[in-house]
This record gives sequence, structure tokens and C-alpha cells, in this order.
Amino acid sequence: SAVISQKPSRDICQRGTSLTIQCQVDSQVTMMFWYRQQPGQSLTLIATANQGSEATYESGFVIDKFPISRPNLTFSTLTVSNMSPEDSSIYLCSVVASRSQETQYFGPGTRLLVL
Amino acid sequence: AQTVTQSQPEMSVQEAETVTLSCTYDTSESDYYLFWYKQPPSRQMILVIRQEAYKQQNATENRFSVNFQKAAKSFSLKISDSQLGDAAMYFCAYVRRQGGSEKLVFGKGTKLTVNP
Repeated sequence: SAVISQKPSRDICQRGTSLTIQCQVDSQVTMMFWYRQQPGQSLTLIATANQGSEATYESGFVIDKFPISRPNLTFSTLTVSNMSPEDSSIYLCSVVASRSQETQYFGPGTRLLVL
Repeated sequence: AQTVTQSQPEMSVQEAETVTLSCTYDTSESDYYLFWYKQPPSRQMILVIRQEAYKQQNATENRFSVNFQKAAKSFSLKISDSQLGDAAMYFCAYVRRQGGSEKLVFGKGTKLTVNP
């Protein structure tokens, strides 16, 4: 499986500010996704990061709040904009290395606390 | 829409014993994958085991095995010889076969405690 890293691993931010989370993979992958895990909850997909084009957002998530970039096949960023305490969550990127396997492997996550 | 249900919010097991975590799902698709992920306190989501729906044989990975009942839409995880390191949240997940482009649908999770 691919080795996935995320930066930062955790952060404490003030409301109204923005944070950009990076996801780096050690090999080219076909698909990259961003999930949110609110405290005590399961994972919810924010968007699919598309290489070279706009991300595909799930219902309830918008580009102005969660802009995503994917400039190449190994890297993606998620920005959490104009943060509020409700954005306090773990944000995880996942990748699919092989279309035939359908298996998603996850990065270590970024724990965000908004004060 | 596909849904995944884990009916056991919490389970506990004695070290070295066996425990089974339950998962049911709802889908009209015939070709899909099912997964169990483990999330320890470190919060990393770790793939435990994978089952392809078209395969009748139940998947096994060392001490972890599944009981896949396609007609009943049931996908339980059995952990044998439980170890302290098995303590974690366990999430059951479903994905439709679509060349890797589909999102995972997760259950709410089961918190497993392993008692020494």
C-alpha cells in the first residue's frame, strides 16, 4: 500500500482564520479523497480531489468553505476557511492506488481544534 | 442509498478470547467491496480486512476473519486470540465497484475494549 503523510498532524486555530492541510503520497495514485470525522462520529466524505480540475463536493460541503487542490497524482491540499468551533474535527485524506481493488488507504489525519 | 449499520456501539473481550463484531448493510448493487477498518487512539484508520462481494470464500487475515452472508447482507468480523493492541474503534465500510471513484460508506463504529 502507499505511504501517506499529512501536515500538520494537529493544530489549534482561532475562529475566523483558515488552515491548509497537506496530503502527500509516496507514489502516484488514481484517486484522492478528503473525509471529516467529527468528535465521536464516523467519517463523512467532504470531496473527491480531481487532478487538474475542480474537486467534486458532497452534499453539504461547498468549495468556498473547503477549497481543494490536486496539482499532480501524489499531492493534494484541503483548506478549512473562516473556521468556527464547529469545524473542530479530524480531517483525513485517503487514496486509491489501484482501480481494480477499490481499497482506500488513509493518511494519519489532522486533528483540528478551533477556539 | 447505501447504508451500513453496526448495532453494537461497544464490545469487550478478555485477552486471548474471541469476539465477533456485527455489521449489516443495505444495497441494491451486486458488485461491491466490504471492509473493516480499525482506528486506535492514534486516530489512524487502518485497513483490517477486505471482502469482494463476488467471492463466496470468506476473507481471512491472520487472527481476523469475516463471515460474509451476501443474501442476508451481513458482514461480521471475528477476532481470535484477542490482544491488548486490538483495542480500538472498528468501522465497517461499503463501496460500490466503480473503478475506485466511489466514496466509502461507513457504519457508526464499534468500540472494542480488551481486558487483560
